[in-house]
Amino acid sequence: AQSVTQLDSQVPVFEEAPVELRCNYSSSVSVYLFWYVQYPNQGLQLLLKYLSGSTLVKGINGFEAEFNKSQTSFHLRKPSVHISDTAEYFCAVSERGAQKLVFGQGTRLTINP
Amino acid sequence: EAGVAQSPRYKIIEKRQSVAFWCNPISGHATLYWYQQILGQGPKLLIQFQNNGVVDDSQLPKDRFSAERLKGVDSTLKIQPAKLEDSAVYLCASSPRGGAQGPGNTIYFGEGSWLTVV
Repeated sequence: AQSVTQLDSQVPVFEEAPVELRCNYSSSVSVYLFWYVQYPNQGLQLLLKYLSGSTLVKGINGFEAEFNKSQTSFHLRKPSVHISDTAEYFCAVSERGAQKLVFGQGTRLTINP
Repeated sequence: EAGVAQSPRYKIIEKRQSVAFWCNPISGHATLYWYQQILGQGPKLLIQFQNNGVVDDSQLPKDRFSAERLKGVDSTLKIQPAKLEDSAVYLCASSPRGGAQGPGNTIYFGEGSWLTVV
């Protein structure tokens, strides 16, 4: 069965600084990978997804993520964050051919002015 | 295009009482999911419907939780009797079809129903 580990429960950064949110997964088969964002009191919104092809995936709001098969990682990055990026970020995995989406524990990103 | 609609948004009940949550998926989406998100944790799948049939309910506590999808469209999730540990956000989601997540088959989430059991 697949699993997801988000290595940081909280990440505080200053506005306009770069940020990386780390995600590692475990699976015995090929996977699809996703990052979702959850703003306060809202549902989950898809930021980006890796299905196949280029390992560097660009998403909404200036975020990007890189799939590293050898390290089983899918870290999320943004070169310059804004106050509005304050939210909870979830990494998720779905095994190819399976229907279930499995989420990590989440990383709370806090932007300080 | 309208998103996934859920109601009520917030509910506070006493333990041992019952509660029901309603979900209307995106029009035309065949697959509907209910996830439970406990504070500080990632969402956990409770049940998945394909049209009006159950695909996966392996993590649904069937002694107290039940769910149905009427005519393959709307869905209701019920908890009876509620326990303190049921306090969570209940997220409904839908995707165009069954099968693996992939090209053209992304899950879309509603804003959630927040349950507090006191």
